[in-house]
This record gives sequence, C-alpha cells and structure tokens, in this order.
Amino acid sequence: TQLLEQSPQFLSIQEGENLTVYCNSSSVFSSLQWYRQEPGEGPVLLVTVVTGGEVKKLKRLTFQFGDARKDSSLHITAAQPGDTGLYLCAGGGNKLVFGAGTILRVKS
Amino acid sequence: GAGVSQSPSNKVTEKGKDVELRCDPISGHTALYWYRQSLGQGLEFLIYFQGNSAPDKSGLPSDRFSAERTGGSVSTLTIQRTQQEDSAVYLCASSLWTSPTEQFFGPGTRLTVL
Repeated sequence: TQLLEQSPQFLSIQEGENLTVYCNSSSVFSSLQWYRQEPGEGPVLLVTVVTGGEVKKLKRLTFQFGDARKDSSLHITAAQPGDTGLYLCAGGGNKLVFGAGTILRVKS
Repeated sequence: GAGVSQSPSNKVTEKGKDVELRCDPISGHTALYWYRQSLGQGLEFLIYFQGNSAPDKSGLPSDRFSAERTGGSVSTLTIQRTQQEDSAVYLCASSLWTSPTEQFFGPGTRLTVL
C-alpha cells in the first residue's frame, strides 16, 4: 500500500513569512499532485510533478519532486492571508492516495 | 457545466435510513471518482468509473455502499442502512481519460448520520 506522509500537520505564520510543506513516502510515484482545499469546497489542483528532480513554480509557490520520486515539497514565499487553507499531496494513478494534509493559517 | 456539481450540499439523516448522493461531472470527462473525507481518515478513495468499463469498487468500505453511473455522465452514490461512522464529506471528481491523475473535484456533500 502506498502511503504519503505530510509535515507539518499545522502551520500558523505571519503574513510575509516563508514556509515549506513536505510530502514523503517509502514508495516511488510516477507523479505527485498538490491540491489546496478551502472550507466547504473540494480540493483544487495546483500542480502535477512528473520527473524526478523537477521544479515547478506557480507565482509565489515552488513545487519540487525528489530525485527518486518518493517525496515532494511545496515552498511558499512571502505568504499572504489568501494562502490560508488545507494543502494536500496526492499520488498513485486513478485511485489517488492522499496525504493527511497541512493546515496553513496566514495571519495579517 | 463549468465544474463538477454535487447535490445535496448537506444531508442529515437518521441511523438506518438510505441516502443517495448525486454527482454531475465536467462535460467531456469520461472518468468519475468518489472519495470520502473524514477527520480521522483524511481523503479516501471509494470507487472509480472509466467510460463503459466495469467500475473499480475496491475502496468501498462495505456492501452497504454502491454507486452507479448512468449514460456515462451523472453518478449516484447510495448508502444503505446508514451508520454514524458514515458521517463524512463525500467528494466526487472527474478527469479526462488521458489525464487520470489530474482530477477536478466538486464541492462535496456533507453527510451527518444522527
């Protein structure tokens, strides 16, 4: 069974700070996805990483896929209150396996 | 429609009753998925439909859970004889068959079993 572990579980920071969220597994994934979910809404896909060592940027968000394709990270630069939400990593093909998520709260 | 829609948005039912949850996927998406999100378990896969193929039911937690997809579009998830542990948010997602890992989610149905 493929499992994804996310850390930290909860992060509360001030506006303007930087942060990194980690997603780790002992299994190799052909791709990993990052989603963001707000209360009362479904997860929204942010990015898919496919190639080991790949780095993708989405405005202030930087996503990296580990060389061995077993881990990924999400780095947010100069966090803003609008970044508040639940960040989920997922992988595994049709039947996505999700990490437990990181709850991010950015205070103004 | 523009996105995945689900109904109802909230459902409160009594233990032992049957419930039906509906999902309307993005037009043109041939793959449809159901997941369950609860505090203790996170987001769990339930069932997957792809075109006219037999659905992958490997994530259904018990035989009280079933789902169907009519005409390759709308799907209904049915839970019979609901139990309190069925309380959760039920999320539906759809994707193109060429990009099964890039799934687009609906807003979910929050089910509360009293």
